[in-house]
Amino acid sequence: GAVVSQHPSWVICKSGTSVKIECRSLDFQATTMFWYRQFPKQSLMLMATSNEGSKATYEQGVEKDKFLINHASLTLSTLTVTSAHPEDSSFYICSATKGTVYNEQFFGPGTRLTVL
Amino acid sequence: KNQVEQSPQSLIILEGKNCTLQCNYTVSPFSNLRWYKQDTGRGPVSLTIMTFSENTKSNGRYTATLDADTKQSSLHITASQLSDSASYICVVTLNYGGSQGNLIFGKGTKLSVKP
Repeated sequence: GAVVSQHPSWVICKSGTSVKIECRSLDFQATTMFWYRQFPKQSLMLMATSNEGSKATYEQGVEKDKFLINHASLTLSTLTVTSAHPEDSSFYICSATKGTVYNEQFFGPGTRLTVL
Repeated sequence: KNQVEQSPQSLIILEGKNCTLQCNYTVSPFSNLRWYKQDTGRGPVSLTIMTFSENTKSNGRYTATLDADTKQSSLHITASQLSDSASYICVVTLNYGGSQGNLIFGKGTKLSVKP
């Protein structure tokens, strides 16, 4: 199998606080992990690509100081939304690849962030 | 510009009926095309993956086709069930010689299956 989990599944926080979201590959070692954001009725938008032991690569327009990514092991990546604001409220989804021939990405269940 | 267009935007069908979702893409260089099912509030789940040389691939009641010449794909759902209600997303991967993050997402087709 190729199971990816996220924690928490939903979180509500006050404006100005920081929120950490975990992404774990449960039954495989992920060569690369990705973080996406999805607004209602929109496509998933790639935020950053994360490789274990190295700095994440951020997409254009994504603030790396606001969205901190740590990829400490081959099975865990974390996304920290710092000083969250209501406009950061979104559905955050991670994915992981395990180096198959298709380089298929296996998606986590997502985390719903609501900033009040 | 690399784009993936899906149609229809939304679709309502009766339980037991068949339906076909369309995906047109202008993506180059092409690596593969995937169809995902995304339930509301959940992450996408892969249904099929097809490379350039594959014309059709089935996964249970889901059958995907790919015409690489016209850059079109379709997803056919047979004998729909209430649990098929979800968004279906067409995703094309760019072939950048090993790069793994170059997915171009369609906006999805929201399917509602009614009893």
